[in-house]
Amino acid sequence: DSGVTQTPKHLITATGQRVTLRCSPRSGDLSVYWYQQSLDQGLQFLIQYYNGEERAKGNILERFSAQQFPDLHSELNLSSLELGDSALYFCASSPGDRSTEAFFGQGTRLTVV
Amino acid sequence: GNSVTQMEGPVTLSEEAFLTINCTYTATGYPSLFWYVQYPGEGLQLLLKATKADDKGSNKGFEATYRKETTSFHLEKGSVQVSDSAVYFCALGLNFNKFYFGSGTKLNVKP
Repeated sequence: DSGVTQTPKHLITATGQRVTLRCSPRSGDLSVYWYQQSLDQGLQFLIQYYNGEERAKGNILERFSAQQFPDLHSELNLSSLELGDSALYFCASSPGDRSTEAFFGQGTRLTVV
Repeated sequence: GNSVTQMEGPVTLSEEAFLTINCTYTATGYPSLFWYVQYPGEGLQLLLKATKADDKGSNKGFEATYRKETTSFHLEKGSVQVSDSAVYFCALGLNFNKFYFGSGTKLNVKP
């Protein structure tokens, strides 16, 4: 158990809908990272937050947004969903904004039908 | 740019065979290198890491050496077990706030 909690584990929704994925980092970790894992794109970095502020951005679509709250949990919001958004979404956390490793949650599997 | 290339799988081995999974990288700075493992239905777990050239990371019988001259970080294990069956990801971290992952190599170990 990495200590990173993601909810829900599975999500099935229709195209055009909006969903929110939630992540609770390890106790004491200030950084949260979001990744998308799909069969054709592999594991792609989406965005990082550190202590409530956006720190780094990767290949995140404009339809997607994230935030980190004062209690350090984070939410990834996906809107106007398309079939191609079906993927496994991972959250990871690390102690600082320049840490040597990240601890991953078990992921949320999103299926868009 | 920054990227990681690892050998395509799946790799199928018999128990107690020797394992090598190749990983090469390109990076604009001085990265740290990682191997993560993903067991079925689970998230990624850090297997080992190396933070500078010539460092050797090791864990659970797995080893990888950070080779700057060949920009490589190949994963090896002398004797694999059925329980090692998983997907293995090579990754690099730059400024430690962004990780770049390879595409993953699936390992199947048969008894």
